[in-house]
Amino acid sequence: ELKVEQNPLFLSMQEGKNYTIYCNYSTTSDRLYWYRQDPGKSLESLFVLLSNGAVKQEGRLMASLDTKARLSTLHITAAVHDLSATYFCAVDPLGNQFYFGTGTSLTVIP
Amino acid sequence: GAVVSQHPSRVICKSGTSVKIECRSLDFQATTMFWYRQFPKQSLMLMATSNEGSKATYEQGVEKDKFLINHASLTLSTLTVTSAHPEDSSFYICSAPLPTGGPYSNQPQHFGDGTRLSIL
Repeated sequence: ELKVEQNPLFLSMQEGKNYTIYCNYSTTSDRLYWYRQDPGKSLESLFVLLSNGAVKQEGRLMASLDTKARLSTLHITAAVHDLSATYFCAVDPLGNQFYFGTGTSLTVIP
Repeated sequence: GAVVSQHPSRVICKSGTSVKIECRSLDFQATTMFWYRQFPKQSLMLMATSNEGSKATYEQGVEKDKFLINHASLTLSTLTVTSAHPEDSSFYICSAPLPTGGPYSNQPQHFGDGTRLSIL
């Protein structure tokens, strides 16, 4: 059974601090995606990682992928309140069928 | 640009009612669409894969007679929750694979805005 696990599940951090969310998956996949979900809303695409060693940055968020370790990270730099949301990673090992991670609920405290 | 439109956004109805949710691909054709269900504070779980012109593929544990999927055209898939009960209350999200190449080469799927279903 394919598993996609995120750590931590819940994260409360102060504004200005840094933190990393981890995404581990149990099967081979060269594709990994990060999404943001606000309460009551659908998914917003953040990053598309398509190869081993891929690193992408957008604002205060940076995502990386290590396909050999089956690990992706989402690093938050100098958090701000607007980043409060739930973050999901997803893998696509077979092409066009997503398996979502457990989710990380992030709360940034002023 | 490519968008997936999902309607309705919110449904509140009595137990025993059947509810239809529509998922449309705008500006592109989708031979395949996906239906997910998300319970509060949980992740998205794939329910079924909708295939244009053929039967949907259901994930293990999903009742095909309860969750009827129809994909009659290249731009429309529907999910009907038949005889809905309170335990069917959830957030339902559809998605469609985007065309390869062009401006969408790095966006494999686009998600609808979701439907909040509440069964009283």
